[in-house]
Amino acid sequence: NAGVTQTPKFQVLKTGQSMTLQCAQDMNHEYMSWYRQDPGMGLRLIHYSVGAGITDQGEVPNGYNVSRSTTEDFPLRLLSAAPSQTSVYFCASSRTGNNEKLFFGSGTQLSVL
Amino acid sequence: AQRVTQPEKLLSVFKGAPVELKCNYSYSGSPELFWYVQYSRQRLQLLLRHISRESIKGFTADLNKGETSFHLKKPFAQEEDSAMYYCALRGYSTLTFGKGTMLLVSP
Repeated sequence: NAGVTQTPKFQVLKTGQSMTLQCAQDMNHEYMSWYRQDPGMGLRLIHYSVGAGITDQGEVPNGYNVSRSTTEDFPLRLLSAAPSQTSVYFCASSRTGNNEKLFFGSGTQLSVL
Repeated sequence: AQRVTQPEKLLSVFKGAPVELKCNYSYSGSPELFWYVQYSRQRLQLLLRHISRESIKGFTADLNKGETSFHLKKPFAQEEDSAMYYCALRGYSTLTFGKGTMLLVSP
């Protein structure tokens, strides 16, 4: 099993550009989530999904969209990138929505200029 | 609302010294607490959870509901323990993380 795979690992965007961060897991996990990690702020939840077709907002959802059309994939879309979205993004999954052990991807380092 | 507080950004100790990483939480329900660790150039991973009452890599953590704390302890720190440690609280369908404590263990 590859576990949780995130692409790309690094990305530089200009203000106003849009892009999609990809996340895929091959463990048949129902629960998937996106976090951003900022210095001094820890990990903050952006969006999460408890199953295919179901998504919900986390603590810092503004400026991001998600969808969950399949169990395996949970892409994160930045609609119009802003410098405040410069961060490291982590995708994580767990077997159920009861937040058992979370499995994390390796992260995407995003810079918005 | 649920909240996790890790008061120390950085904890620096010498090898062989005891370590205690503090974590306090605020939650109206019955809490489920975890410690996650991120070693340099590795993925964030679960270290331990309170319901398991286990010791992982010599670390233990006891849930103290009276003091709303879940401090992580190790009697003798090793250099390989150097990492970022996050305390996390499970709420309804979400996991809230603290801001993290960087542990540096010097030889």
